[in-house]
Amino acid sequence: GAVVSQHPSRVICKSGTSVKIECRSLDFQATTMFWYRQFPKKSLMLMATSNEGSKATYEQGVEKDKFLINHASLTLSTLTVTSAHPEDSSFYICSAEEGPNEQYFGPGTRLTVT
Amino acid sequence: AQSVTQPDIHITVSEGASLELRCNYSYGATPYLFWYVQSPGQGLQLLLKYFSGDTLVQGIKGFEAEFKRSQSSFNLRKPSVHWSDAAEYFCAVEPENTDKLIFGTGTRLQVFP
Repeated sequence: GAVVSQHPSRVICKSGTSVKIECRSLDFQATTMFWYRQFPKKSLMLMATSNEGSKATYEQGVEKDKFLINHASLTLSTLTVTSAHPEDSSFYICSAEEGPNEQYFGPGTRLTVT
Repeated sequence: AQSVTQPDIHITVSEGASLELRCNYSYGATPYLFWYVQSPGQGLQLLLKYFSGDTLVQGIKGFEAEFKRSQSSFNLRKPSVHWSDAAEYFCAVEPENTDKLIFGTGTRLQVFP
């Protein structure tokens, strides 16, 4: 099946710094990628839809200036958490759409902000 | 309000026992329906999906799910659970005319030998 990778798998950063998370589709091209956030013992919450070559579409309540998304190629989308704070600590998961209604998920990135 | 509900937060079964994980949704039209499994260190893996047609859907790893329109449910079943099935299971819906997945809160499955 299609494979999606995320890098890094874990990251610890200091409050006020920025962190970039990469999402790559390894064996297919993805015009659309999605970014989710998962809180402990909670569901995945869609943060934004990332479209190659255009601006991301953010869900209600998600700060676009804080969570910068870039989808510069058909195999790579990045999520940058700017000026991170402890409340941004979470598990971030991306998915890539291989075809209609076919999302493949990355293994996730655990972000801890100290 | 539109929602996906998984009433069971945590289920424990013995290996070899049957399993049913519940999922209910509230959307105006029939959305696309999915079940995913999440294991530590691994991405969500699609077990099965329902778009239309036969309401009993077969998936990977011996799982199946049945769509019941009258109950707005899409319960996941497995006749005989294996220890390797221990994981977090998520039901998800894709509302009509969107490509967004809405996830339930998940059910953690624990399997005892």
